[in-house]
Amino acid sequence: AQRVTQPEKLLSVFKGAPVELKCNYSYSGSPELFWYVQYSRQRLQLLLRHISRESIKGFTADLNKGETSFHLKKPFAQEEDSAMYYCALSSLATGKLIFGQGTTLQVKP
Amino acid sequence: ETGVTQTPRHLVMGMTNKKSLKCEQHLGHNAMYWYKQSAKKPLELMFVYSLEERVENNSVPSRFSPECPNSSHLFLHLHTLQPEDSALYLCASSQVLGFSSYNEQFFGPGTRLTVL
Repeated sequence: AQRVTQPEKLLSVFKGAPVELKCNYSYSGSPELFWYVQYSRQRLQLLLRHISRESIKGFTADLNKGETSFHLKKPFAQEEDSAMYYCALSSLATGKLIFGQGTTLQVKP
Repeated sequence: ETGVTQTPRHLVMGMTNKKSLKCEQHLGHNAMYWYKQSAKKPLELMFVYSLEERVENNSVPSRFSPECPNSSHLFLHLHTLQPEDSALYLCASSQVLGFSSYNEQFFGPGTRLTVL
């Protein structure tokens, strides 16, 4: 079964601390993985996709097929990073997105 | 407004009411989606339309009825809802329906629905 798991509902860190938002997936085949973000009072939007191997707003995510993980990392958290983060997997069969439960990141001053 | 718009932004309805949610996208996309976002569950895909044809119906109760009259508009008709249907309903669109790392979904702001 295709599934995305984000084990932490809430992650609270202080400004300047490193951040790692965990994401594990279950998928048979080569997955396409994404991180979406929803800031307060804003719409859900794409943060980054694994194929691009890019860094957006200081965030990176590496696909680890051995551990079936796609954790989101940032070395120094900023207060403006506080938001809800969703990990998502694109289904090869249908092209639809399967979302994890989401993790709320709270960056304290 | 550009991108994906949804109206109304907030809706309160009784269990016997009939109402409709509207979604419009100005991006020239061919695929549109309805999601339900509840407080205690992950984002749930409800319906998928590609080129105005429904291609996915994820076991959604019949009290939710989608309509896609053209590639720019998507409706969700609501009838005899239950209090547990209270949630944020999100509309999204993408260029096409298909497997692609670059087939990004663009989301609307959502309609906050409260069923009394």
